[in-house]
Amino acid sequence: AQKITQTQPGMFVQEKEAVTLDCTYDTSDQSYGLFWYKQPSSGEMIFLIYQGSYDEQNATEGRYSLNFQKARKSANLVISASQLGDSAMYFCAMREVYNTDKLIFGTGTRLQVFP
Amino acid sequence: ETGVTQTPRHLVMGMTNKKSLKCEQHLGHNAMYWYKQSAKKPLELMFVYSLEERVENNSVPSRFSPECPNSSHLFLHLHTLQPEDSALYLCASSPGGAGGLETQYFGPGTRLLVL
Repeated sequence: AQKITQTQPGMFVQEKEAVTLDCTYDTSDQSYGLFWYKQPSSGEMIFLIYQGSYDEQNATEGRYSLNFQKARKSANLVISASQLGDSAMYFCAMREVYNTDKLIFGTGTRLQVFP
Repeated sequence: ETGVTQTPRHLVMGMTNKKSLKCEQHLGHNAMYWYKQSAKKPLELMFVYSLEERVENNSVPSRFSPECPNSSHLFLHLHTLQPEDSALYLCASSPGGAGGLETQYFGPGTRLLVL
């Protein structure tokens, strides 16, 4: 079974609008970490935001926030005030405390921001 | 230089060639990773080194040979590759060894084309 599921292969959003990228995960561990990365066409995987399974508050980093719903096993990324430079692939990933060598990635969502 | 660097950024090689990919991290991290990113597939973890010792080898064919001479450098030696090995090869590092839920920071990748 897939550990990380990103059901949106592509998303469009208008500049200055907010957009939510979906991510659901599957784990039996109580302790795990969830990550979002951005990959522009240049190829580099850029770390955006991290949420620990025991963190009570949703993580925020500038225009990025993570909508963490533990019971639903979802960790959606919210980008506020989208910019043209946000156009990229976005990957959700998980690291389990008992499997800490592995960062398990989803298949990604391609976000296109239009003027 | 800061962060994680990779050279070369692009590589074209024949199936009989031998080449090496280089990764260097300037973050003082203790763990380094090689990932393969093929089209329309999630990132695949290939190798993990923690404190210069290999701790993970994800059933990678022997035509890929990693080397970690010190905690700042990681190589991937390539020989007699196949066309299906064409992909983006990403290097990453994380701070305190392979344990824990720390963030992995990625380099820009090497785009490899095997003819």
